Amino acid sequence: AQSVTQLGSHVSVSEGALFLLRCNYSSSVPPYLFWYVQYPNQGLQLLLKYTSAATLVKGINGFEAEFKKSETSFHLTKPSAHMSDAAEYFCAVILLIGSSNTGKLIFGQGTTLQVKP
Amino acid sequence: DAGVIQSPRHEVTEMGQEVTLRCKPISGHNSLFWYRQTMMRGLELLIYFNNNVPIDDSGMPEDRFSAKMPNASFSTLKIQPSEPRDSAVYFCASSLTSTGGVSPLHFGNGTRLTVT
Repeated sequence: AQSVTQLGSHVSVSEGALFLLRCNYSSSVPPYLFWYVQYPNQGLQLLLKYTSAATLVKGINGFEAEFKKSETSFHLTKPSAHMSDAAEYFCAVILLIGSSNTGKLIFGQGTTLQVKP
Repeated sequence: DAGVIQSPRHEVTEMGQEVTLRCKPISGHNSLFWYRQTMMRGLELLIYFNNNVPIDDSGMPEDRFSAKMPNASFSTLKIQPSEPRDSAVYFCASSLTSTGGVSPLHFGNGTRLTVT
């Protein structure tokens, strides 16, 4: 069965500092992985996705994630935190519907990022 | 692109009442998903549709929950009768199934349900 685990339910970082949010996956097939962000009282917004092309994936607003098969990881990073980055972040793996290109997302438990001035 | 539209944004109801949540997916998308988010259980998939047909409803908690998709532009999630433990944020998401690359899900802003 495919799943993702996010290590650390809360991460605190100073404004301007680099931060890393951890995600490890479990999958018997090459996974398709996603990072979503959720701001208070809003839905989930896609940050980036890994679909077996380049292992270093660049997303919106300066976010990046690197797929490491040897470590079964897909950690999210950003070189410089902004106050507006304070939100909850979810890692997810997709279970494709048959041979189609979409399916249901299986989410991790989420990591809340706090940015201190 | 108006995005996925959910209504209402907030719903407060008394235990035992019927609740209907509504979703309009992104035009052209042919897969629709209903998720529930709680502090205890995180994001759980309840049911998803492909081309208006329910594909997997194994996440529906019990018979009090039902979902329909009468056409490509509308879906409902109904709880009858509602209970306090149903209090959560319910999200609808849609995606496009095609022969291209992997298609991500696009989420609405959710309906916050409170059952007293």
